[in-house]
Amino acid sequence: GQNIDQPTEMTATEGAIVQINCTYQTSGFNGLFWYQQHAGEAPTFLSYNVLDGLEEKGRFSSFLSRSKGYSYLLLKELQMKDSASYLCAGGDSNYQLIWGAGTKLIIKP
Amino acid sequence: IAGITQAPTSQILAAGRRMTLRCTQDMRHNAMYWYRQDLGLGLRLIHYSNTAGTTGKGEVPDGYSVSRANTDDFPLTLASAVPSQTSVYFCASSENSGGYNEQFFGPGTRLTVL
Repeated sequence: GQNIDQPTEMTATEGAIVQINCTYQTSGFNGLFWYQQHAGEAPTFLSYNVLDGLEEKGRFSSFLSRSKGYSYLLLKELQMKDSASYLCAGGDSNYQLIWGAGTKLIIKP
Repeated sequence: IAGITQAPTSQILAAGRRMTLRCTQDMRHNAMYWYRQDLGLGLRLIHYSNTAGTTGKGEVPDGYSVSRANTDDFPLTLASAVPSQTSVYFCASSENSGGYNEQFFGPGTRLTVL
């Protein structure tokens, strides 16, 4: 079956670094997406990985290992505005996205 | 209009009533999607359209129908609403349906069926 697993909730301190993990099983593979969703708002795109390795974009980086079915999102220099849910989604063989339930990240001062 | 819009923002509906959720995008994207988001669950695809004139069923299509008469509009209809359809509904679009395509989301419609 198809499945995306990520932790339900994480807590981190302002200024610190946090890593949000995601494991996936999809029929076929067409990339791994990360989206950010603030409470009561729509998801917005953060990153896309289709090849193994690390993609860096400012304070945010995303890593993919296709052989392990594993990805992580790394957030550096955490700010209070980073408090949000982070959604992992895998593209399947039909190019549709299978979504994880999201990781709620709580940032404490 | 800039991006993707949805209407209404929220709605309380009696069970058994018919309801259409509207979605319009001005980005000339070929692909459009309807998701529902429930607490503790990931976004679940209801229906999608890869291009105007075509539609397809997603993971949870029962009780919902869609049409795609033109590029910009992708309405979602609940023929006879039931309480289990209480959810937040997001419409999304992407330039194309294949390979890498970032999806852009509308602001969502919060629907309560009593």
